[in-house]
Amino acid sequence: DAGVIQSPRHEVTEMGQEVTLRCKPISGHNSLFWYRQTMMRGLELLIYFNNNVPIDDSGMPEDRFSAKMPNASFSTLKIQPSEPRDSAVYFCASSLTDRVYEQYFGPGTRLTVT
Amino acid sequence: SQQGEEDPQALSIQEGENATMNCSYKTSINNLQWYRQNSGRGLVHLILIRSNEREKHSGRLRVTLDTSKKSSSLLITASRAADTASYFCATDRGTGNQFYFGTGTSLTVIP
Repeated sequence: DAGVIQSPRHEVTEMGQEVTLRCKPISGHNSLFWYRQTMMRGLELLIYFNNNVPIDDSGMPEDRFSAKMPNASFSTLKIQPSEPRDSAVYFCASSLTDRVYEQYFGPGTRLTVT
Repeated sequence: SQQGEEDPQALSIQEGENATMNCSYKTSINNLQWYRQNSGRGLVHLILIRSNEREKHSGRLRVTLDTSKKSSSLLITASRAADTASYFCATDRGTGNQFYFGTGTSLTVIP
């Protein structure tokens, strides 16, 4: 299996621009998680999907952030408009619903907003 | 928001020595996990310990859990240079289906 795939790996954009991060979970996994990692705040859970349905989005920082999972093999995290404080590494992880304790992480997308 | 706090924040040891990292958390849990993150990479699941377990082993890893103190420790025996990474604990806050990560311990193993 290819593992969790994220794209792009690096993104540099200007403040105010829309940013879309993409994730393809491991085939057969029905739970998907988006995390953000910064030096200041560590690794934060942003949103959690189960069977394509958002279960808990309480970690989403504000309305500028939105996440979708249109099908079992694809999810997006969108930031509109982006701000410099959004600069971070964004990770996607997937797992089986009955094994959410064993999450498989993607390589991450390093976002820089200037 | 973060759930766990790892201690120490950074640890540097010689190859062959044992490395011990600690994690403290605030709320009741069902499960606690440890993950490893190599520089520039995603996290890799190492081991899970349930709230009714006190100790668990996996290869050179030993994890203990003290729910009365709300703390856990990860011991890596006979460390290798390849163990150099950041190590995170993650707890579920009793939800069982979402995990919250600590701040991590950065381990450097000197060859």
